Amino acid sequence: GENVEQHPSTLSVQEGDSAVIKCTYSDSASNYFPWYKQELGKRPQLIIDIRSNVGEKKDQRIAVTLNKTAKHFSLHITETQPEDSAVYFCAASKGGGSNYKLTFGKGTLLTVNP
Amino acid sequence: NAGVTQTPKFQVLKTGQSMTLQCAQDMNHEYMSWYRQDPGMGLRLIHYSVGAGITDQGEVPNGYNVSRSTTEDFPLRLLSAAPSQTSVYFCASSYLDEQYFGPGTRLTVT
Repeated sequence: GENVEQHPSTLSVQEGDSAVIKCTYSDSASNYFPWYKQELGKRPQLIIDIRSNVGEKKDQRIAVTLNKTAKHFSLHITETQPEDSAVYFCAASKGGGSNYKLTFGKGTLLTVNP
Repeated sequence: NAGVTQTPKFQVLKTGQSMTLQCAQDMNHEYMSWYRQDPGMGLRLIHYSVGAGITDQGEVPNGYNVSRSTTEDFPLRLLSAAPSQTSVYFCASSYLDEQYFGPGTRLTVT
């Protein structure tokens, strides 16, 4: 089955700096790569996603890049703010029918210091 | 539109007890799934369903049963709780790829 590796497990940055979280996946058939943000005690919430026919996607301060050849994708957060502090999870799926099931990375605890 | 709801929010069980975690969604989503979240392990898929009457196993199905008699509801049953099932359980539903999570149930088995 699919295996998703996520690095780093913890990341501490100063407010205003950029943060980058990287994930690799094993199944070349995977074609949907979402990122979730989970604040302490809350549910995971989708913040951005990318599909395998796209190399990069941006939404204000966050962006995701995908390299299908190398089977890795990354989350980029620019101009970080204290409210960006949370655990971030990457995931992968093949999409469609029973292939909607997501395989998650183990998460990255991002701390943004004021 | 309540989205995905889960009950209870918290539960303490003794080893060997059984219980059902409830999950409901009002978005008419065909796909629903159950995950467990343990520290340092991310979210792991327990069972999923692609529609009423259809369920399948995920990565960690042992000790759990599911059924899907309606589009709206997808309960998770623990037949004989074990301490290893202490975890936070999330239910999710999706229309296509985007999955929406419920608020979670924190379960402790003593």
